[in-house]
This record gives sequence, C-alpha cells and structure tokens, in this order.
Amino acid sequence: AQSVTQPDIHITVSEGASLELRCNYSYGATPYLFWYVQSPGQGLQLLLKYFSGDTLVQGIKGFEAEFKRSQSSFNLRKPSVHWSDAAEYFCAVEGTNAGKSTFGDGTTLTVKP
Amino acid sequence: DTAVSQTPKYLVTQMGNDKSIKCEQNLGHDTMYWYKQDSKKFLKIMFSYNNKELIINETVPNRFSPKSPDKAHLNLHINSLELGDSAVYFCASSHKVHNSPLHFGNGTRLTVT
Repeated sequence: AQSVTQPDIHITVSEGASLELRCNYSYGATPYLFWYVQSPGQGLQLLLKYFSGDTLVQGIKGFEAEFKRSQSSFNLRKPSVHWSDAAEYFCAVEGTNAGKSTFGDGTTLTVKP
Repeated sequence: DTAVSQTPKYLVTQMGNDKSIKCEQNLGHDTMYWYKQDSKKFLKIMFSYNNKELIINETVPNRFSPKSPDKAHLNLHINSLELGDSAVYFCASSHKVHNSPLHFGNGTRLTVT
C-alpha cells in the first residue's frame, strides 16, 4: 500500500521569500503524485501532478515540484511567496487503484508580511 | 458554474439524530468520493462510487451509508450520529483513470452536540 509523509507540520516564511514544502512517498512502482492546496473554508484544489516525463513539473500559481526517485520525494517549491499563498498544502500519491489517493497529513503555510 | 457542489455547508445536530449530505458534480466524471477531514486536517477516503457502483469502502462504521442515484450524484446518510462524527466531509469527483486529479466540493462542516 502507498503512503505519504509530509515532515513539516507548519512552515512560516516572509512574503517574497522562497518556499519548499517536503513530501516523501512510499510505493513499490512509479507513483502518480499530486499536490493540492486548501484555503480556509474551501475544498482542495490541484496545484500540479506528476507521473512520467520531465521530473520538474510546473503548476498553477507559480508553483513547481520536482520528482526524485532516488529520494522518494516530490517537494513543492515557489521562488517568491505571496501573502495569498497562506493555506494548507497536501501531497498525495495514487497507486494501482486508479482514483484512490492517499494524502499526507498536510503542511500549514503561514506568510509573514 | 460550480463543478462539485455539496449541501449543506454547515450542519449542527444532536447525538442520535440521522442526517444526510448531498453532492452533485457537473464535470462529466464517472467516479465520486466522500472524504472525511478531522480537526487536525487529516484527510481520509471513506467511499468511492464509479458509475453508481461502490468500488471503495474503507473501514467506516455502517452508520454511514452512501447512495449514488446516478453518476453525477453521491449522497451520504449518517444514522445515529455520535460526537466523534464531527468533522468536515468533502465530496470529490474524477475520471477513473490514473493521474486524473480529484475535484473537491467546498465541504460540509458537521458538528454533533
């Protein structure tokens, strides 16, 4: 069975600073990986996804993520954070069962002015 | 145009009552889901239906009964509500193919008193 670990429960960055949110997955084959963002009182919205091809994927809102098979990681990055990026971020992995995603516990991002 | 809509947004009820949450999607997806998000924001899948057929049924008390009248609707009925059922319940939909992201509703915050 697949699993996801997001080591950072809470991260605080200053507006304009760079951001990296960590995600490690466990799965025997090549996983399908996703990053979602949840704003307060909202549902989750897809930021980006990866299965194959270029290991650096671009998403919405200026986010990108890099798949590193050797490290079983799929870290999310943004070069310059905006105050509106403050939210909960979830990494998810989908295994052999199409549509059944396992989510990490989430990372809460706070942005300081 | 709301893609995945669920009602009600808030639900406050007493222990022992029976309540329902409704969900509809207009994305043409063939698969719908119910997720539960607890107070720590942990997100866990409860059920999944593909073309009205139950395909995922995680370890959920049988007080929870999903119903899918058609592939655009997935409702959740909860009998004999307990304090521990308090959470945010998210409906989601996707195509049942790998790498198809989930589209979430805005959630129903259920509070059992």
